[in-house]
Amino acid sequence: AQSVTQLGSHVSVSEGALVLLRCNYSSSVPPYLFWYVQYPNQGLQLLLKYTSAATLVKGINGFEAEFKKSETSFHLTKPSAHMSDAAEYFCAVRVNNQFYFGTGTSLTVIP
Amino acid sequence: DTAVSQTPKYLVTQMGNDKSIKCEQNLGHDTMYWYKQDSKKFLKIMFSYNNKELIINETVPNRFSPKSPDKAHLNLHINSLELGDSAVYFCASSEYTGELFFGEGSRLTVL
Repeated sequence: AQSVTQLGSHVSVSEGALVLLRCNYSSSVPPYLFWYVQYPNQGLQLLLKYTSAATLVKGINGFEAEFKKSETSFHLTKPSAHMSDAAEYFCAVRVNNQFYFGTGTSLTVIP
Repeated sequence: DTAVSQTPKYLVTQMGNDKSIKCEQNLGHDTMYWYKQDSKKFLKIMFSYNNKELIINETVPNRFSPKSPDKAHLNLHINSLELGDSAVYFCASSEYTGELFFGEGSRLTVL
């Protein structure tokens, strides 16, 4: 069975601090992995995706994520948080035509 | 040009009424989806169509009926609306190995 676990439903960081949002997955087949961001009252936008090429994936807005097969993880990081990063973040895994989403992590950035 | 567009953006209606949400994608994708996002931001897959054929039909009340007249359109009709149907409904589309592209969402409020 496929599933996605996001540890921490709420994460707060100071402006300029490291952002680390955790995602672990389970999949019976090699997965495609995604991170999405949702700003208030908007749809979900793709931040980055892993599709079995490089294990370190760079996305938009300075975010990146590293696929670690041994740990079944795909954590999202950004070296320096900006106020505009405050949003809801979702990790997702795709298996065939089905997407499985985590429960989301709300990121607060403290000035 | 908006890739995935859904209308209306807001619906406010009384219990027992019927409402429809329309979705169109101009990306040429074969697969379209309806997701429901509740007040806690949980994303739940409702339906998925591939080339007008229903391929995912999660445990959703029969009051919800999707219709796909062609592969660029996937509409959602809801009969006999209930308070618990209040949510944001997202349409999305994808290619076989790609990411999901989301619409902006339709916020349904049932009074």
